[in-house]
Amino acid sequence: AQSVTQPDIHITVSEGASLELRCNYSYGATPYLFWYVQSPGQGLQLLLKYFSGDTLVQGIKGFEAEFKRSQSSFNLRKPSVHWSDAAEYFCAVGNDYKLSFGAGTTVTVRA
Amino acid sequence: DSGVTQTPKHLITATGQRVTLRCSPRSGDLSVYWYQQSLDQGLQFLIQYYNGEERAKGNILERFSAQQFPDLHSELNLSSLELGDSALYFCASSGTGARETQYFGPGTRLLVL
Repeated sequence: AQSVTQPDIHITVSEGASLELRCNYSYGATPYLFWYVQSPGQGLQLLLKYFSGDTLVQGIKGFEAEFKRSQSSFNLRKPSVHWSDAAEYFCAVGNDYKLSFGAGTTVTVRA
Repeated sequence: DSGVTQTPKHLITATGQRVTLRCSPRSGDLSVYWYQQSLDQGLQFLIQYYNGEERAKGNILERFSAQQFPDLHSELNLSSLELGDSALYFCASSGTGARETQYFGPGTRLLVL
């Protein structure tokens, strides 16, 4: 069975500081992995995805994620956070018919 | 804007009632997925349709059903509603290949009173 763990429920970061959100997955085969962001009252927007190839993936809004098979991780990073990055972030692992999501990490950005 | 549309945006109803949520996928997408987001369960996969046929089922209650029509829009029917069915219901769509990215609609927020 596939599953995702996001160990951090809530992270507070200062504007301009770096951000790293952790994601660990469990999947029997080669996973395909996603990060989505959900702003308050909004739907899920795809930030980036990993299917195969280069383990460092670039996404939208300046985000990147690194796939580490040995650690079963797919952590999301941003070098300098903007106030507009305050949102909830979801890591997901997929197979051919569904996505399994982590519980999400809420990011608060302080001035 | 993902290109996936969902109606209505908000729905308030009473216990025991039945509601229908509607989803139009992105142009060209044949697969439609339904997810439920609640505070206690998080984001849960409910069901997938591909070109009108049910392809996979997840944690979908027997009181819930879905279908996908020839024009590829989909409806999720929720009946005998309970307070615990209050949640955000998302529709997503994807293309025809294996391991396609799912693009999500804005969701329908259901409140059961």
